[in-house]
Amino acid sequence: EDKVVQSPLSLVVHEGDTVTLNCSYEVTNFRSLLWYKQEKKAPTFLFMLTSSGIEKKSGRLSSILDKKELFSILNITATQTGDSAVYLCAVEGSIKGSNYKLTFGKGTLLTVNP
Amino acid sequence: DTGVSQNPRHKITKRGQNVTFRCDPISEHNRLYWYRQTLGQGPEFLTYFQNEAQLEKSRLLSDRFSAERPKGSFSTLEIQRTEQGDSAMYLCASRPGLAVNTGELFFGEGSRLTVL
Repeated sequence: EDKVVQSPLSLVVHEGDTVTLNCSYEVTNFRSLLWYKQEKKAPTFLFMLTSSGIEKKSGRLSSILDKKELFSILNITATQTGDSAVYLCAVEGSIKGSNYKLTFGKGTLLTVNP
Repeated sequence: DTGVSQNPRHKITKRGQNVTFRCDPISEHNRLYWYRQTLGQGPEFLTYFQNEAQLEKSRLLSDRFSAERPKGSFSTLEIQRTEQGDSAMYLCASRPGLAVNTGELFFGEGSRLTVL
């Protein structure tokens, strides 16, 4: 069974701090790793990572994947209160040939205080 | 509206009743997923369709749960003889075929089930 473990499960920081969220995984026939942000509604897509060592960046958010050590990190610099959310990591594995299933971790609850 | 649409958004039912949720994916997306999410947990995979074919179903899923996607467009998720433990948010998501796979899974707003 595919497994995704995120840490920490929750984190409280002050505006302006930098945070690093961790995601480790075990998956059959790895295809990609995705990061999502979830506020009080459906998850919204942040990044998809398929190759080791290539950083994806969007504004203050960045992410990188290590396929050898089976983990990814999501960095948020100069945090703002609007970054407060649950950050979900998901891995996509291949099952039965071309079928692809996404398995999510429990998420990291980030709270950014003013 | 070109997003993933789910209804009803909220459903309150008594234990033992049957409920059905509907998901209308983005029209050109041939892959459709159902997930269940409870408070403090990430989305838990339930089942996956490629066009009308149900290609994977979670082994954790009780026989009381069934899903269909009869014409490869909208999908329904039915829960029979509901139990209080079924109370959760049921999320539907879709994505295009492999040829145009950007990785992004587009989620609907979810259907929240409360079983009394």
